[in-house]
Amino acid sequence: DAGVIQSPRHEVTEMGQEVTLRCKPISGHNSLFWYRQTMMRGLELLIYFNNNVPIDDSGMPEDRFSAKMPNASFSTLKIQPSEPRDSAVYFCASSLRAPYGYTFGSGTRLTVV
Amino acid sequence: GESVGLHLPTLSVQEGDNSIINCAYSNSASDYFIWYKQESGKGPQFIIDIRSNMDKRQGQRVTVLLNKTVKHLSLQIAATQPGDSAVYFCAENTAPGDYKLSFGAGTTVTVRA
Repeated sequence: DAGVIQSPRHEVTEMGQEVTLRCKPISGHNSLFWYRQTMMRGLELLIYFNNNVPIDDSGMPEDRFSAKMPNASFSTLKIQPSEPRDSAVYFCASSLRAPYGYTFGSGTRLTVV
Repeated sequence: GESVGLHLPTLSVQEGDNSIINCAYSNSASDYFIWYKQESGKGPQFIIDIRSNMDKRQGQRVTVLLNKTVKHLSLQIAATQPGDSAVYFCAENTAPGDYKLSFGAGTTVTVRA
């Protein structure tokens, strides 16, 4: 299995631009999680899906952030417009039987200048 | 200027010695706990887990101990190797029946040759 696949690995964008992060979960996994990691706040859960349905988005910082999961094999996290304080590493994780056995992707390092 | 952010505990260990990493968790209702290892530039990787009906679980070179009385979790690594250098996170399922994990701040482990 290829594991959880995230793209891009690195993204540098200018303030005000739209950014889209992508995630392909492990095939057969039915839960998908988006986390953000910063030095200030550590690993924070932004949103998670079960069977493609958003279950808890209370961690999404503000309306500039949105996430979708149109099918079982793909999810996106979008920031529009982006701000420098959004700079962080964004991780996607998936699980077959959450909360057991989360598998994380390699992350997307986002820099907003 | 002064740096602002999480001040991660650090542990420096001589190669071959045993390591003990500690974690205080927050919620007495948490029923599932996991240790993750994160190497530089990578996503968190599962090490070992334990449910609240157990107080000890062993894996290959690792042991997790759970003390529910004082809400304390520890990870013991036997015969620490250079490849064990990483940041180690404990995570808890704070709401039984829920899918999500909450992560601690992490401990940086450095192995001295």
